[in-house]
Amino acid sequence: GAGVSQSPRYKVTKRGQDVALRCDPISGHVSLYWYRQALGQGPEFLTYFNYEAQQDKSGLPNDRFSAERPEGSISTLTIQRTEQRDSAMYRCASRRSGGTDTQYFGPGTRLTVL
Amino acid sequence: QKEVEQDPGPLSVPEGAIVSLNCTYSNSAFQYFMWYRQYSRKGPELLMYTYSSGNKEDGRFTAQVDKSSKYISLFIRDSQPSDSATYLCAMSDILTGGGNKLTFGTGTQLKVEL
Repeated sequence: GAGVSQSPRYKVTKRGQDVALRCDPISGHVSLYWYRQALGQGPEFLTYFNYEAQQDKSGLPNDRFSAERPEGSISTLTIQRTEQRDSAMYRCASRRSGGTDTQYFGPGTRLTVL
Repeated sequence: QKEVEQDPGPLSVPEGAIVSLNCTYSNSAFQYFMWYRQYSRKGPELLMYTYSSGNKEDGRFTAQVDKSSKYISLFIRDSQPSDSATYLCAMSDILTGGGNKLTFGTGTQLKVEL
């Protein structure tokens, strides 16, 4: 595709439910990143992958959050037993390779936990 | 204290003005410095990328890095209404391979008035 796509764009769920957020990176991009952005704040790093390997998950808030990229392309961020504090914009970015290449951000998924 | 501090604004300037946006940081390991622009309801897009102290110019935009003071700036000359957006500084350290785990400022909201 032309850019990074994310689905769904909006997700409303009830506290305690599990949610899965999908990211489809730019074709051929090696690296994929997940960020969380609260209103009025900058994106906060969660985790990233090179190909299918999760390189750094230090930003995941707790063990309710997990991410995978099994075939080195599409990635899923899963939040189990959602809580109201999980409400935020979840953004995905992809990058062609290392060095000074740009991270291209997707439109985000707005998650609201009631 | 946050690793990256940025005045959230809002900053309102007349068309044609020179705009100065700034960030300070505390982590000496930061070696890569970026400025992103984020329009309302959109993902951040990269404007400038530098990895050394000094100035880097691109059209109407100049990025300035002073590692000794842990201070970075973005200057916008001849500002236009289309520059109205939130400007986010971002940084990463060499330990994470540079440009991977980005630490963002909160963003400065800029409005350029006709």
